[in-house]
Amino acid sequence: DAGVTQSPTHLIKTRGQHVTLRCSPISGHKSVSWYQQVLGQGPQFIFQYYEKEERGRGNFPDRFSARQFPNYSSELNVNALLLGDSALYLCASSLLGTGIAYEQYFGPGTRLTVT
Amino acid sequence: AQSVTQLDSQVPVFEEAPVELRCNYSSSVSVYLFWYVQYPNQGLQLLLKYLSGSTLVKGINGFEAEFNKSQTSFHLRKPSVHISDTAEYFCAVSETGANNLFFGTGTRLTVIP
Repeated sequence: DAGVTQSPTHLIKTRGQHVTLRCSPISGHKSVSWYQQVLGQGPQFIFQYYEKEERGRGNFPDRFSARQFPNYSSELNVNALLLGDSALYLCASSLLGTGIAYEQYFGPGTRLTVT
Repeated sequence: AQSVTQLDSQVPVFEEAPVELRCNYSSSVSVYLFWYVQYPNQGLQLLLKYLSGSTLVKGINGFEAEFNKSQTSFHLRKPSVHISDTAEYFCAVSETGANNLFFGTGTRLTVIP
């Protein structure tokens, strides 16, 4: 079975632009979480979605938004890009919607570079 | 709120030598604890996790970790490392029943031939 897939693998954007990152969870999984990993740091939680509803949000500005589609795939959108948004964006999928921290499967990530 | 401290940012070790990567956490509630490995240009792979029960947890690739509640630690150990163990290792914590993980800043393990 395919694991979590993310696209694109790499992306270069200019400050002020908008970006959309995509994630497809493991088949049968209904929850998707997004994490940001800045170079040299550990991942930080951005969002969790379950059954198309936001179930959790980390300490990120409103420039960050996400949504989940009926097929459980998800998009992460970032507006008005800043240099500090350069990072590896990780998607994690889980079967359930609550208490999922103990069972998350991570994708390979999308490397975003903002110039 | 939880926090995780990985005291060693880099750990060099010779091949076939033992290694310990240290992790301390802070939380006012009961927690789950995790170790993840990240190989270059890849995502995170779960090595092992502590949810409850025995404080000694065995994971993949010969790694193990011990949960010490009194010292709020969850150190990762391997008795004999291989070149292929060279990677970034992240300790993470979550509240029991929570939906998200809090990660440490990582420890880069470099195995020297």
